[in-house]
Amino acid sequence: DAGITQSPRHKVTETGTPVTLRCHQTENHRYMYWYRQDPGHGLRLIHYSYGVKDTDKGEVSDGYSVSRSKTEDFLLTLESATSSQTSVYFCAIRRDTEAFFGQGTRLTVV
Amino acid sequence: DAKTTQPPSMDCAEGRAANLPCNHSTISGNEYVYWYRQIHSQGPQYIIHGLKNNETNEMASLIITEDRKSSTLILPHATLRDTAVYYCIVRVVDNTDKLIFGTGTRLQVFP
Repeated sequence: DAGITQSPRHKVTETGTPVTLRCHQTENHRYMYWYRQDPGHGLRLIHYSYGVKDTDKGEVSDGYSVSRSKTEDFLLTLESATSSQTSVYFCAIRRDTEAFFGQGTRLTVV
Repeated sequence: DAKTTQPPSMDCAEGRAANLPCNHSTISGNEYVYWYRQIHSQGPQYIIHGLKNNETNEMASLIITEDRKSSTLILPHATLRDTAVYYCIVRVVDNTDKLIFGTGTRLQVFP
């Protein structure tokens, strides 16, 4: 599992509230990624990071922000959650030429 | 948009070879072909990747056509545990290194 831990694993929140998801890795990999997965879609890239304080947008970044103040942690924040952000969120790291994924966080916005 | 096209679903009998096709007709010279699979709602799992040559590992074989416009993932002896969604991805392995997923092929292995 490449030492990836996502927290929380499940969360229910109300529309308009801020939510932060955490991805923690134990192997000091430089590259980290946040994806979301919805029914009928494959995984879609939200944001990624190529080092501490170095981040960039993916294909579905609207409504999300990220931070990476330490190599081991990559945080995904929904500033004001909306029902369209109900999804399963996956974190990934890059090790050599391969990507390894966490077990996912299931977020429900009601 | 994803750069690959895969059939939405396939069936395979247990013990038989599963051959999963992928079309990537717009692939660039520096793009690799990667395969991942996702079992139930777990995170995707890396299977294999290649650039030009055919590749084999303990999980699968990857056959890439000479013109690189298509490829086939082969699971030589499918088991029930191979039931999953299989994603074919083309990517440039560089500093940005983004994986762009399509909708994949749902492989059902039956007894």
